[in-house]
Amino acid sequence: DVKVTQSSRYLVKRTGEKVFLECVQDMDHENMFWYRQDPGLGLRLIYFSYDVKMKEKGDIPEGYSVSREKKERFSLILESASTNQTSMYLCASRVRGAQPQHFGDGTRLSIL
Amino acid sequence: AQSVTQLGSHVSVSEGALVLLRCNYSSSVPPYLFWYVQYPNQGLQLLLKYTSAATLVKGINGFEAEFKKSETSFHLTKPSAHMSDAAEYFCAVSVRDYKLSFGAGTTVTVRA
Repeated sequence: DVKVTQSSRYLVKRTGEKVFLECVQDMDHENMFWYRQDPGLGLRLIYFSYDVKMKEKGDIPEGYSVSREKKERFSLILESASTNQTSMYLCASRVRGAQPQHFGDGTRLSIL
Repeated sequence: AQSVTQLGSHVSVSEGALVLLRCNYSSSVPPYLFWYVQYPNQGLQLLLKYTSAATLVKGINGFEAEFKKSETSFHLTKPSAHMSDAAEYFCAVSVRDYKLSFGAGTTVTVRA
């Protein structure tokens, strides 16, 4: 069965900190994604990666960066956390193309 | 760019009643369409997908959706609601670049 694992379910950080959110998939999927989820806004794409070392900006990349050094791992980095980045963050992966995305359980991040 | 509109942010149904969740999309090319469900404190789980085969798509847990090109709609239905259907439901669309665009979500509550 498909498994996407996010390293933390809950995380509390302070403004100005550099924050790392980790995501690992065990299905040898080519594509990986980071979304943030906010009430009333649905999911918004932050960054995605078509393959190792490849990345593309999504709809709301400002204040974020990503890293994909290995196929199974996709990291989201908040360079200098701010309170408006308090949110639920969801990682997803898929084989490629139009195939469905598989999601992790999410990380609820609070920036104080 | 494609977009998704889910009509109604909250839907309340009685146990055993019909569940109908509405989704309209805008896309200049034939889309791929998905419905996902999110239970509390979990990630998104795929309910069903439309990928240009049959217009009536059957999914898991008794849900189905009908693609109507003339109405640009992809409404989700279940004939008889169960308490376990209480969750948030997201409609999503992707086109040529295969990125997903999500609707804002519809929260379903089921009354005993």
